[in-house]
Amino acid sequence: QQQVKQSPQSLIVQKGGISIINCAYENTAFDYFPWYQQFPGKGPALLIAIRPDVSEKKEGRFTISFNKSAKQFSLHIMDSQPGDSATYFCAASQWSGDKLTFGTGTRLAVRP
Amino acid sequence: GAVVSQHPSWVICKSGTSVKIECRSLDFQATTMFWYRQFPKQSLMLMATSNEGSKATYEQGVEKDKFLINHASLTLSTLTVTSAHPEDSSFYICSARTGGYEQFFGPGTRLTVL
Repeated sequence: QQQVKQSPQSLIVQKGGISIINCAYENTAFDYFPWYQQFPGKGPALLIAIRPDVSEKKEGRFTISFNKSAKQFSLHIMDSQPGDSATYFCAASQWSGDKLTFGTGTRLAVRP
Repeated sequence: GAVVSQHPSWVICKSGTSVKIECRSLDFQATTMFWYRQFPKQSLMLMATSNEGSKATYEQGVEKDKFLINHASLTLSTLTVTSAHPEDSSFYICSARTGGYEQFFGPGTRLTVL
């Protein structure tokens, strides 16, 4: 019940296209859903996060869509650029003091 | 703001030796710090959670006597890998939290055990 399932495992997108990564969870007590970007040999960096009280959050080219009833959330990267090529992880936690449960990761490659 | 550093960034050691990795929150006080291990092309696996001044809470399957965690102050936590073996070779990442939801991650430490 603590798992967060992420798909796809890898994704290739043309420059300027839209990258979409999906995550699903089972634990209805989760109330914080962040997305992290990780480049090779680096630590993950927070991209954007959402709480269950909203269905969508946008920051620049990055948008989280959240469907509470389906227990799913997704990351959309608009106008994808080669510099966006990285591994993306979704995560979830129950409350502000709780540990993060990470998805399995998606390796995104944006072709020029 | 919210910068977390790790030292060293990489380390190579011989089998049987101990290695200490430091995690520091540079511009904030961290009420909680987390230690993760990441194998190539895999996700982050939480090893333990530590709060300043108290014993760390280890995840199931993580040997507390092998991976010693000390959270001595609100800005410093250390992970010591004792009697390291080649299977301990991995990317170790710490994160720190001030009390809200967000965790700030360090740049990671690459450990190679020969």
